Amino acid sequence: GQQLNQSPQSMFIQEGEDVSMNCTSSSIFNTWLWYKQDPGEGPVLLIALYKAGELTSNGRLTAQFGITRKDSFLNISASIPSDVGIYFCAGLIVGGSQGNLIFGKGTKLSVKP
Amino acid sequence: EAQVTQNPRYLITVTGKKLTVTCSQNMNHEYMSWYRQDPGLGLRQIYYSMNVEVTDKGDVPEGYKVSRKEKRNFPLILESPSPNQTSLYFCASSYRFSTAYEQYFGPGTRLTVT
Repeated sequence: GQQLNQSPQSMFIQEGEDVSMNCTSSSIFNTWLWYKQDPGEGPVLLIALYKAGELTSNGRLTAQFGITRKDSFLNISASIPSDVGIYFCAGLIVGGSQGNLIFGKGTKLSVKP
Repeated sequence: EAQVTQNPRYLITVTGKKLTVTCSQNMNHEYMSWYRQDPGLGLRQIYYSMNVEVTDKGDVPEGYKVSRKEKRNFPLILESPSPNQTSLYFCASSYRFSTAYEQYFGPGTRLTVT
């Protein structure tokens, strides 16, 4: 099936540090989404991106839709302990099934106080 | 309270014994979807439904069935479960797939097939 390559797989950082993660694909996307999953819960949408080049912020989170439409990144500034969790990118491929959302494998973030 | 509910939350069953995991949403959402989550593989879409009586396969539909007879319910059926279907399952819904993609996820169902 279609693949999203999400990196890094995991990160261990100190509280206060900035975090960056990204997703790439060989396919072209028309939508990029970033979700966060806390332990024992379902994912929650953080940011949605709809246009190539779009840069969107949500508090300390910033995400961008790559110009090539094949990638996206998520930055978290000044991390805090509650940022711990798994972050997923997801997207809709151009020419793919209209309702078929593809997810990356996730980036597990650990924050040391 | 707006929510997606799944039942059961935990299930241990044996190979070949048919089971159904229910999913219900109270937000009048058109779009509903089922995912499975496995370690190292992230979330993979099983089936989705754009509206009542409209369903389509996701990335990993083999061994699963769904139905969408009413807007609020989207059950996942495993006719003959096998151990490789041991996984964490999530149901999700959104108002309409073409809009904000703000999918609300249920709390998950942890299924073990022995």
